[in-house]
Amino acid sequence: EAGVAQSPRYKIIEKRQSVAFWCNPISGHATLYWYQQILGQGPKLLIQFQNNGVVDDSQLPKDRFSAERLKGVDSTLKIQPAKLEDSAVYLCASSPTGGYGANVLTFGAGSRLTVL
Amino acid sequence: AQKITQTQPGMFVQEKEAVTLDCTYDTSDPSYGLFWYKQPSSGEMIFLIYQGSYDQQNATEGRYSLNFQKARKSANLVISASQLGDSAMYFCAMEGGKLIFGQGTELSVKP
Repeated sequence: EAGVAQSPRYKIIEKRQSVAFWCNPISGHATLYWYQQILGQGPKLLIQFQNNGVVDDSQLPKDRFSAERLKGVDSTLKIQPAKLEDSAVYLCASSPTGGYGANVLTFGAGSRLTVL
Repeated sequence: AQKITQTQPGMFVQEKEAVTLDCTYDTSDPSYGLFWYKQPSSGEMIFLIYQGSYDQQNATEGRYSLNFQKARKSANLVISASQLGDSAMYFCAMEGGKLIFGQGTELSVKP
């Protein structure tokens, strides 16, 4: 089966510019996640979707980050305006279901953002 | 609140030897899952092994085993017969509704 697709793989922007990342999960996976991974740290959950509804966005900086999952399939994460501290890899993941149990996430290759 | 701690920033192991990567966790939920993921330099997170909090036996997947000690709240990963391709970052993660990750351990396998 096809994996989780993400684009672009790399993006360099200047601070205060905007950027958008796209993710297409594994077909049939109901749950989609966006994680932020700063260099040298573990991934931090930004937002979790169940179908097209938001389950958890408690760590999403809502003043500059937004995410949507129209039609419950692919998703877009936007940053506007970007700050230097947003430099990170943005990982998208999907799973058949969310919540408790052996809920194995499949990750995409990530989108590496550098903010100058 | 849930918390995952990995206290070893970096580890070295000789090829063909076994290595243990430490992970401790904290949660008040009676039901949770523990995972280990591998992240090679390419950046993709690869699932290795899962242990449920009610599982009586330690999980094993090929050369990977999870040493689950519930009373100590530890979930250490054991890799047997290390290979050069095992060199990567390893993350312990816990799920109790959402998946949270530790800081990671960088494993280097020496030939």
